[in-house]
Amino acid sequence: RKEVEQDPGPFNVPEGATVAFNCTYSNSASQSFFWYRQDCRKEPKLLMSVYSSGNEDGRFTAQLNRASQYISLLIRDSKLSDSATYLCVGSSGYSTLTFGKGTMLLVSP
Amino acid sequence: DARVTQTPRHKVTEMGQEVTMRCQPILGHNTVFWYRQTMMQGLELLAYFRNRAPLDDSGMPKDRFSAEMPDATLATLKIQPSEPRDSAVYFCASTESGARSYEQYFGPGTRLTVT
Repeated sequence: RKEVEQDPGPFNVPEGATVAFNCTYSNSASQSFFWYRQDCRKEPKLLMSVYSSGNEDGRFTAQLNRASQYISLLIRDSKLSDSATYLCVGSSGYSTLTFGKGTMLLVSP
Repeated sequence: DARVTQTPRHKVTEMGQEVTMRCQPILGHNTVFWYRQTMMQGLELLAYFRNRAPLDDSGMPKDRFSAEMPDATLATLKIQPSEPRDSAVYFCASTESGARSYEQYFGPGTRLTVT
């Protein structure tokens, strides 16, 4: 079983919609969590960190629930440019990251 | 705008041939990672170095893969002999250990096809 699991999607949403992704992690030693974004045929890039208290960056909100071992990402007012694969990532604190396989989002006009 | 660079960007080779992939980390970054990405497995960590010393290569098939950092500006990943199952995108990433070390900067990747 992979340490970080995500629904691969795709999630098909119209522009302006709100969409949420969840991911679950199995390694309780994981200390830090992040969302990376990967565009088609491009490299992954850090989108945002995830804190227990919640982290908001514009239209994006990330949340961590340690008790249930899941991480969420909420995107409000979806744009066409949000179409990408979103990778849920955990870290045990030694610089190494464990990536989920990603959730694909397709935003249509 | 500092970036991780990788060469070649694309490589098509025949089974049994040697493949060498190169990575130049961002200047000043002392930790370098090699990942492999496939549809089936997603992103997998193959090996990583800190201050040019290998810290973990447990994700790498030892019999055919080798990773080195001859100097602080160059990391290499070699496959010899290559097999069709090695077909994947190989990413190099770098980070500055101890300072937001979770933010890894990825290169554009080498898309490898072994026929």
